[in-house]
Amino acid sequence: AQSVSQHNHHVILSEAASLELGCNYSYGGTVNLFWYVQYPGQHLQLLLKYFSGDPLVKGIKGFEAEFIKSKFSFNLRKPSVQWSDTAEYFCAAIFYSGTYKYIFGTGTRLKVLA
Amino acid sequence: DAGVTQSPTHLIKTRGQHVTLRCSPISGHKSVSWYQQVLGQGPQFIFQYYEKEERGRGNFPDRFSARQFPNYSSELNVNALLLGDSALYLCASSSEQGTTNYGYTFGSGTRLTVV
Repeated sequence: AQSVSQHNHHVILSEAASLELGCNYSYGGTVNLFWYVQYPGQHLQLLLKYFSGDPLVKGIKGFEAEFIKSKFSFNLRKPSVQWSDTAEYFCAAIFYSGTYKYIFGTGTRLKVLA
Repeated sequence: DAGVTQSPTHLIKTRGQHVTLRCSPISGHKSVSWYQQVLGQGPQFIFQYYEKEERGRGNFPDRFSARQFPNYSSELNVNALLLGDSALYLCASSSEQGTTNYGYTFGSGTRLTVV
């Protein structure tokens, strides 16, 4: 069965620290990958997406993610976090096997200390 | 441009009742998908509709159904409500189905409480 796993449930960082959030998926077929962010009290917003081509994807607000097919991973990175990055981050994937399924990970709560 | 709009924003229902949630996609978007988000968890995929046809379905019981109208708006219906159906129900729209170069735009959700 298709699945998306986020292993870090809570992350606490100080401002200017580097961030890497893990995301793994299980599926051998075609998959499209996304990272979404949900700021407190706001709705989900798309950070970045991968469909094909360059496995290093750059998104909004200085975030990037790298698709490593051999590791079934799509980790989110940011070189230097800010207090305003405090939010919940969701990895998601679209799997296609006759029909479409859009699967989210359980999310990672990031708290950045000023 | 208006984003994805959902109504109502909050709803309280009694066990066994029926509920209808509504979603209006971004103008020009033909794909609508529905998700259930329980507190502390990621959104769970319920349905995807494109051009008024169901194109994807998650692992939800038959009590959950949906439809998409000619104007691409959508309804999610839940029958015989259970306490466990209490959640935030999210709608998202996209200009294309499934694999899309744009990702989905989410609404703010409908908070359903079943008592």
